[in-house]
Amino acid sequence: EDQVTQSPEALRLQEGESSSLNCSYTVSGLRGLFWYRQDPGKGPEFLFTLYSAGEEKEKERLKATLTKKESFLHITAPKPEDSATYLCAVQGGSEKLVFGKGTKLTVNP
Amino acid sequence: EAGVTQFPSHSVIEKGQTVTLRCDPISGHDNLYWYRRVMGKEIKFLLHFVKESKQDESGMPNNRFLAERTGGTYSTLKVQPAELEDSGVYFCASSPRTGAPLHFGNGTRLTVT
Repeated sequence: EDQVTQSPEALRLQEGESSSLNCSYTVSGLRGLFWYRQDPGKGPEFLFTLYSAGEEKEKERLKATLTKKESFLHITAPKPEDSATYLCAVQGGSEKLVFGKGTKLTVNP
Repeated sequence: EAGVTQFPSHSVIEKGQTVTLRCDPISGHDNLYWYRRVMGKEIKFLLHFVKESKQDESGMPNNRFLAERTGGTYSTLKVQPAELEDSGVYFCASSPRTGAPLHFGNGTRLTVT
């Protein structure tokens, strides 16, 4: 059974303090690993898709990387507006996404 | 481009009642998905439509849940009769093709009392 574990559950940073979020996964035949951002009361908002080990993608202060067992979301010099819950999901043999519980990030000014 | 729209945003019903949730996907998106987040748990897949056909309904919890997608446009998810454990946030998502990133709506928060 496909499984995703995210850590930490919650992370509190000062503005400008870089850090990383972890997503460990087990999946039969990875077709894609997805990162989403979710704000309170909103639906998940797509950030990145990674397809194979070694792949990296960047968007503003965010950078996602992928190995055969885990993915990292690196946040460089975060700002308060980066505060959100970050969700990781994998797609295996079918179209459905299997999500982790998410990491709630708080960036204090 | 209008996003995925879900209605209602909140619904509070009593155990045993019926509730129908609606989702309007992004125009032209053939793929439509329903997901659910129960409190304290991760978001979980319910089912997947391609146009009006159910492609995968392996995540539907039981036969109290019925999803339809009339004419391959909007979709409804009916819960009848509702139970306490059905409380949660129901998300709808759509995509233009299989394998493409999903666009999520803001969800319907269902509370069964």
